[in-house]
Amino acid sequence: AQKVTQAQTEISVVEKEDVTLDCVYETRDTTYYLFWYKQPPSGELVFLIRRNSFDEQNEISGRYSWNFQKSTSSFNFTITASQVVDSAVYFCALSEESGGGADGLTFGKGTHLIIQP
Amino acid sequence: DAGVIQSPRHEVTEMGQEVTLRCKPISGHNSLFWYRQTMMRGLELLIYFNNNVPIDDSGMPEDRFSAKMPNASFSTLKIQPSEPRDSAVYFCASSLAGHQNTEAFFGQGTRLTVV
Repeated sequence: AQKVTQAQTEISVVEKEDVTLDCVYETRDTTYYLFWYKQPPSGELVFLIRRNSFDEQNEISGRYSWNFQKSTSSFNFTITASQVVDSAVYFCALSEESGGGADGLTFGKGTHLIIQP
Repeated sequence: DAGVIQSPRHEVTEMGQEVTLRCKPISGHNSLFWYRQTMMRGLELLIYFNNNVPIDDSGMPEDRFSAKMPNASFSTLKIQPSEPRDSAVYFCASSLAGHQNTEAFFGQGTRLTVV
């Protein structure tokens, strides 16, 4: 069975600080996909990134970066120079084989990130 | 594209009543998912369809829950009879499965309150 663990329930930092959200996953499959979604206070789920299990290259998108390490089954998310607008609940998710396209997502419990001005 | 459209956005109903949630997936997507979000259990997959066919409904909590997808552009999630513990936000999502598979795009959710 697949499982996603986000051990940090809530993180609070002051604006402009860097913050890393942890994600650890479990799966028996060799082919799988990892995701991060953002849920702002308005409630919608916003897709941030998808990585497949064969691509361990780290990715950077503006202030966002992701560190995928198969050796530790982790897919951590770092926000550099955080801003108040980054305040949200962030979910890490896992899908086996089909990239979230055909077999659904297993979500972690989420990390509530609070950026204080 | 308008994205995944869910209706209603909010629903308040009395215990025992039937509730029907509706979803219109993104045009061209062939996979559709229903998720439920609660404080206690987080985001859970209830059921998903590929090409209008239910593939896995193991997440459906009880027989009171049923889902249909009569065509590629419409799906319903029905709860009959509803109970207070069904109160949650229900999300519908769609994606394109296959060679050019995409990530799941979520609707804005339906907030259900059963009193």
